[in-house]
Amino acid sequence: DGGITQSPKYLFRKEGQNVTLSCEQNLNHDAMYWYRQDPGQGLRLIYYSQIVNDFQKGDIAEGYSVSREKKESFPLTVTSAQKNPTAFYLCASKENDWDYGYTFGSGTRLTVV
Amino acid sequence: DQQVKQNSPSLSVQEGRISILNCDYTNSMFDYFLWYKKYPAEGPTFLISISSIKDKNEDGRFTVFLNKSAKHLSLHIVPSQPGDSAVYFCAASGGSSNTGKLIFGQGTTLQVKP
Repeated sequence: DGGITQSPKYLFRKEGQNVTLSCEQNLNHDAMYWYRQDPGQGLRLIYYSQIVNDFQKGDIAEGYSVSREKKESFPLTVTSAQKNPTAFYLCASKENDWDYGYTFGSGTRLTVV
Repeated sequence: DQQVKQNSPSLSVQEGRISILNCDYTNSMFDYFLWYKKYPAEGPTFLISISSIKDKNEDGRFTVFLNKSAKHLSLHIVPSQPGDSAVYFCAASGGSSNTGKLIFGQGTTLQVKP
């Protein structure tokens, strides 16, 4: 079955550490996205990539970095510069046809301890 | 600047009745609108979408209505079932840069009581 796999599901990070969240898709989608969910704020766009080796900042990119070396993979690094990293992180990829919208992964809950 | 707004954080309805979830937007360039359903600790799942050239789209128990002049869309669930209890997000795409980005509302938590 095609889909998006995010790992790990839960991640704990000490302050000052960088961590990388994995996102892999086997849907052959060109475009991939990272969103962050905080209570009462909906989903906010961190970074997105429309094609391999290219990506753009979203609305809240500060303190994050990404890479897109392969079509299937779009990892997100939460750096120590991110002031409030505790959140639920969602990766998505997009069909060419808007009739189906995004396909989301199951998310990673990051907690800073 | 919140371009997509869901002003009702929560909604409670009785099983079998209609649920109506509302969403307002400010950008008249949006040309595609979608609704997602989300359970806790899971990713959102796509429910239904509507293009700006339409004013209604129906899929089973779910119907989305679009009022472009009012910049308003709504999701109707009839009849509501306890399994529909979840957070519902509306989202919009389009505008001056067609990058495929979705702008999400804050979400509405629906509770369907048995």
